[in-house]
Amino acid sequence: EVQLLESGGGLVQPGGSLRLSCAASGFTFSTYAVSWVRQAPGKGLEWVSTISGSGATTYSADSVRGRFTISRDNSKNTLYLQMNSLRAEDTAVYYCAKDRDLGEAFDYWGQGTLVTVSS
Amino acid sequence: EIVMTQSPATLSVSPGERATLSCRASQSVRSNLAWYQQKPGQAPRLLIYGASTRATGIPARFSGSGSGTEFTLTISSLQSEDSAVYYCQQYDNWPRGTFGQGTKLEIK
Repeated sequence: EVQLLESGGGLVQPGGSLRLSCAASGFTFSTYAVSWVRQAPGKGLEWVSTISGSGATTYSADSVRGRFTISRDNSKNTLYLQMNSLRAEDTAVYYCAKDRDLGEAFDYWGQGTLVTVSS
Repeated sequence: EIVMTQSPATLSVSPGERATLSCRASQSVRSNLAWYQQKPGQAPRLLIYGASTRATGIPARFSGSGSGTEFTLTISSLQSEDSAVYYCQQYDNWPRGTFGQGTKLEIK
């Protein structure tokens, strides 16, 4: 059974940093691209960042480029999101999600972790 | 950026009836279109990919159609557990997939 379990969310002040983790199981982690998708309270879904299976290639939305860094440790089956220079508008539930196949939709999602940026 | 527009924003349908949800892309996304279901407090769940292929374990009452810029999700014989928000997502310019704003489906 595929499982994705996020952790690391919490309350942080504007300008602060936070590191999210996503522990994966039930599939060959290194074979698949994985992503972070966020959802602000009461709002829709927004793609944040994606990393290839090998970790060699990363992609980020304009809204977070230069502030957020996606990475992965295939030996630990874990995905990360390092978030720096956080802003109030980054407040959201952050989901990790697995690509169904390269260039495809997200077939599995974690339960999400809430990040609140507030003073 | 490809903009996805869903309609209606809210849909109220009686149990046993059919619900039709629409999604329009600002430019062609071919058949690279997915539908997700999200219930309150839960993560999204993949229903349809490739515009018309049901994901694993999805009941046959869910069906998708369309290509290019116009897409439809049809839920036949609605059940109470189908109450949720439904999102479409294009992944034609993967990984920069964009989502629609969602349609809230209410069961009368």
